[in-house]
Amino acid sequence: GESVGLHLPTLSVQEGDNSIINCAYSNSASDYFIWYKQESGKGPQFIIDIRSNMDKRQGQRVTVLLNKTVKHLSLQIAATQPGDSAVYFCAENFSGNQFYFGTGTSLTVIP
Amino acid sequence: EAQVTQNPRYLITVTGKKLTVTCSQNMNHEYMSWYRQDPGLGLRQIYYSMNVEVTDKGDVPEGYKVSRKEKRNFPLILESPSPNQTSLYFCASSLRSLINEKLFFGSGTQLSVL
Repeated sequence: GESVGLHLPTLSVQEGDNSIINCAYSNSASDYFIWYKQESGKGPQFIIDIRSNMDKRQGQRVTVLLNKTVKHLSLQIAATQPGDSAVYFCAENFSGNQFYFGTGTSLTVIP
Repeated sequence: EAQVTQNPRYLITVTGKKLTVTCSQNMNHEYMSWYRQDPGLGLRQIYYSMNVEVTDKGDVPEGYKVSRKEKRNFPLILESPSPNQTSLYFCASSLRSLINEKLFFGSGTQLSVL
């Protein structure tokens, strides 16, 4: 499934399917991006980051894609598991000292 | 274990009663920051600090104070809390001042101001 973080704040996927979470960032000068995962009652946890000189970066079961032309960031989670259920949000950095965060997408994994 | 520790986890107070939320990190990070998280608004930065004795306002600093007397600690002070400061607060830190480093977050402090 797909969602745009700011306009479709929820996403439900079947266990084992791939998830795609999208984020439209605001500033074309942003040069560093992070995806965070926030489980209920916990602080945000770092998932993966990418710098603006890259367009793709892979981690364990996660891939981040960056399209600077349309200011779009996506997080792909392979073989989604129940433990992946959480709110995911992107963060962009362009001023050096501050991050700006999206509102997030709530991912629910259906067993 | 490397971590950012916030206390208390939950706090209920009344309007006008001064409170402090503590934040401590054990990673020797230069940069520390406070955020508030409200439904539908995402994380918004209150104050940040690039090093000891260096603090600056974020996007929503009104009604808050901070201090950075030691590298590891960055307390958030509400001198006269009001109900619109009811929120979930997070402290975060990163290695260097010039931030292109990932932020590490504490577990959060849920504050209710009655």
